[in-house]
Amino acid sequence: AQSVSQHNHHVILSEAASLELGCNYSYGGTVNLFWYVQYPGQHLQLLLKYFSGDPLVKGIKGFEAEFIKSKFSFNLRKPSVQWSDTAEYFCAVSYSSNTGKLIFGQGTTLQVKP
Amino acid sequence: EAGVAQSPRYKIIEKRQSVAFWCNPISGHATLYWYQQILGQGPKLLIQFQNNGVVDDSQLPKDRFSAERLKGVDSTLKIQPAKLEDSAVYLCASSGPRGPGANVLTFGAGSRLTVL
Repeated sequence: AQSVSQHNHHVILSEAASLELGCNYSYGGTVNLFWYVQYPGQHLQLLLKYFSGDPLVKGIKGFEAEFIKSKFSFNLRKPSVQWSDTAEYFCAVSYSSNTGKLIFGQGTTLQVKP
Repeated sequence: EAGVAQSPRYKIIEKRQSVAFWCNPISGHATLYWYQQILGQGPKLLIQFQNNGVVDDSQLPKDRFSAERLKGVDSTLKIQPAKLEDSAVYLCASSGPRGPGANVLTFGAGSRLTVL
């Protein structure tokens, strides 16, 4: 079955620390990959996406993610986190190129201590 | 542009009662989705509409859940009768036409349902 796995459920970091959140997906076909973020009290927002081309994609607020096809992974990174990055992060995969059916991971809660 | 509108934001009902949620997508977005997000889990697709036709409802519990999108714009999701396990946030999302834009979903704020 198609599935998405996020390695960390809860991450606690101090400000200025580096962040890497793991995401792996099943199935080896063509995929579109996404990271969504949900700040406290707000709705899900798109952080970044990968459709094709350069496997290193840059998103908003200094986030980036690298698609490694051989590892079925799409890890999210940020070199220096801020308190305002405290949020829940969801990795999502679309297994079809022209529909929006997304399979989400279970989410990672990031807490950044000031 | 205006975002995806949902109402109500919060609803508390007792089991076996019914509830309905409403969604107004971004203007011009042909595709509309309803996702269910249970606490501690990622969103799960319940139903996807393309204009006013159903594209995917394979994970919709059809014995109690129903959804419609009359005229290809607004949509309602109904639960009747509700069970305790239906407590969740119901997210509506919409996306643009075919191609890469079809995969970029914009989400509403969600409707939080508590079933007692």
